[in-house]
Amino acid sequence: AQSVTQLGSHVSVSEGALVLLRCNYSSSVPPYLFWYVQYPNQGLQLLLKYTTGATLVKGINGFEAEFKKSETSFHLTKPSAHMSDAAEYFCAVRTPPSQTDKLIFGTGTRLQVFP
Amino acid sequence: GAGVSQSPRYKVAKRGQDVALRCDPISGHVSLFWYQQALGQGPEFLTYFQNEAQLDKSGLPSDRFFAERPEGSVSTLKIQRTQQEDSAVYLCASKGNEQFFGPGTRLTVL
Repeated sequence: AQSVTQLGSHVSVSEGALVLLRCNYSSSVPPYLFWYVQYPNQGLQLLLKYTTGATLVKGINGFEAEFKKSETSFHLTKPSAHMSDAAEYFCAVRTPPSQTDKLIFGTGTRLQVFP
Repeated sequence: GAGVSQSPRYKVAKRGQDVALRCDPISGHVSLFWYQQALGQGPEFLTYFQNEAQLDKSGLPSDRFFAERPEGSVSTLKIQRTQQEDSAVYLCASKGNEQFFGPGTRLTVL
């Protein structure tokens, strides 16, 4: 069975500071990994994804994540936080193409950015 | 349309009422998913369609939940005899290369 653990339900940073949101996964097969962002009263928007190949993945809005198989991690980072980054962030795992490409989500991390 | 749309955006139901939630996927997307997101939690998978075929309904929490997609486009999630524990945001996603999510329907059962 696959699962995702997001450490820290709330993260607070100052504007301009480094953002680090942690995600660890459990999977018996090579995982496909995703980060989604959710703004209030909106659906989820894909930030970035890892399937195969390069382990450092760059996404939208200056975010990136690195797949580390040895650590079963896929942490999300951004060098300099902006006020507009305040939102809920979800890490998710999906099995490689199969009959049901459902996503399994973590419980989310709420990012607050202070001026 | 440009994205996935859902209606209504908000629904308040009295316990025991039936509700129907609609999802309009991105045109041409074959795959459609429903997820349930309880307050403070991540979305949890409910069911999956490929065209009009419901290929996976393993996440539906009880037989009060029913989903359909009769013409392979619009989908409806129906909840019969709603209970307070059904209160959540119901998200629909359609899939091209990846899943694109709608804004959700927030269901509150009183």
